[in-house]
Amino acid sequence: QKEVEQDPGPLSVPEGAIVSLNCTYSNSAFQYFMWYRQYSRKGPELLMYTYSSGNKEDGRFTAQVDKSSKYISLFIRDSQPSDSATYLCAMRGSGNTGKLIFGQGTTLQVKP
Amino acid sequence: DADVTQTPRNRITKTGKRIMLECSQTKGHDRMYWYRQDPGLGLRLIYYSFDVKDINKGEISDGYSVSRQAQAKFSLSLESAIPNQTALYFCATSWSGLDQTDTQYFGPGTRLTVL
Repeated sequence: QKEVEQDPGPLSVPEGAIVSLNCTYSNSAFQYFMWYRQYSRKGPELLMYTYSSGNKEDGRFTAQVDKSSKYISLFIRDSQPSDSATYLCAMRGSGNTGKLIFGQGTTLQVKP
Repeated sequence: DADVTQTPRNRITKTGKRIMLECSQTKGHDRMYWYRQDPGLGLRLIYYSFDVKDINKGEISDGYSVSRQAQAKFSLSLESAIPNQTALYFCATSWSGLDQTDTQYFGPGTRLTVL
């Protein structure tokens, strides 16, 4: 079993829809949770970052962490065609080790 | 100019050849990483380096070696390439400073095909 599981999709939604992307994990030591966005033929870039449990909002994006369920989510409101990309969750334990464990990535397509 | 650059961007080679992928960064970061990305498997860590004198194996280091020539340069070598090393390779950097996010910044990737 992988430490981090993420449904690869693809996920196709109409423009304006609310998108929910999710990851589950098995290591209870994970404390830092990130979402990276990767456009086609590009490297991943950090989109959202959350420490421990709770919610974090940035514009149309909300990251949610439920450590009791070992479940994290990324919500995209009013989705736009420019949101079409692969979204990867990533996480690590405490301490400044730098090592991240990535999910497989979910490919999202937002249709105009 | 890009902060993290990778060369070459695309490479096709044959089984048994030695290949070197290079990464340079102008971000001033001390930490550098090499990942490979395969469909359905996500990003997997090959090697990482926290400074010039520090090299560590990642999840899938077999068949690969690295060299940290300077703080800004980190190269990945495939000593004898095999077809299952066909993948997209990414270099990343981060800063070990006080910021606990330790955000990693990725290069544009190198698409490697081994025939």
